[in-house]
Amino acid sequence: AQSVSQHNHHVILSEAASLELGCNYSYGGTVNLFWYVQYPGQHLQLLLKYFSGDPLVKGIKGFEAEFIKSKFSFNLRKPSVQWSDTAEYFCAVSKRGGADGLTFGKGTHLIIQP
Amino acid sequence: DAGITQSPRHKVTETGTPVTLRCHQTENHRYMYWYRQDPGHGLRLIHYSYGVKDTDKGEVSDGYSVSRSKTEDFLLTLESATSSQTSVYFCAISDGPGEGTEAFFGQGTRLTVV
Repeated sequence: AQSVSQHNHHVILSEAASLELGCNYSYGGTVNLFWYVQYPGQHLQLLLKYFSGDPLVKGIKGFEAEFIKSKFSFNLRKPSVQWSDTAEYFCAVSKRGGADGLTFGKGTHLIIQP
Repeated sequence: DAGITQSPRHKVTETGTPVTLRCHQTENHRYMYWYRQDPGHGLRLIHYSYGVKDTDKGEVSDGYSVSRSKTEDFLLTLESATSSQTSVYFCAISDGPGEGTEAFFGQGTRLTVV
C-alpha cells in the first residue's frame, strides 16, 4: 500500500515570506499526485495536480509544486504568502489505474501572521 | 463546486445507536468514497464504491458499512456508534482512477458520539 509523509505539521510564517511544504510518498508504480487545501470550516479544494509531463506544475492562487521522481517527492511552493493562505494543506497520491482513491498525508497547518 | 451534498451536516448521537450518513451527487461520477478526518491523522479512507452495488473496504472500515443502490447515492452506516467514531466525515466523488482524475469533496458531516 502507498503512504504519504508530510514533513511539517505546523508552520507559522509572516506575510510575504516564501513557503515550501515537503511531501514524500512511497509507491513503486505510476501515481497521480495532488495538493489539496482546506480553509477553516470548509471542505477540501484542489490546489494542483501532477500526472505526467512537465514536473513543475502550477496551481491556483500562485501555488506550484515540483515532482522529483528520484526522490519520490512532490513539494509545494509559493514565493510570497498572504494572510488568506492560512489553512490546512494535504498532499495526496493515487495509484494510476487503482480504484481505491486517494491516500493522504497527515496535513500541514499553515498560519500566516499579518 | 461539484454537485455533492452530504446530510446531515451535523449530528450528535448516543453510543450504541446506529447512524446513517448520506452522500448525494449530481455529477454521474462512477466512483464514490467515504473518508474520516481526525486531527493528526489527515483523511483516511473508510469505504469506496466503483459502481452501483460495487463497494470495497478502505483503511479504517471496522464498524462501518456502506451501500450504493443508485449511482447518485452512497450511504455510510455506523452499525453501533462508539466515541472513537466521533469525527468529520467527507464524501468524495471521482470520474475514475485514470491519468489526472481528481476527487471532489463534499462539505463534510460533523458527527459527535456521546
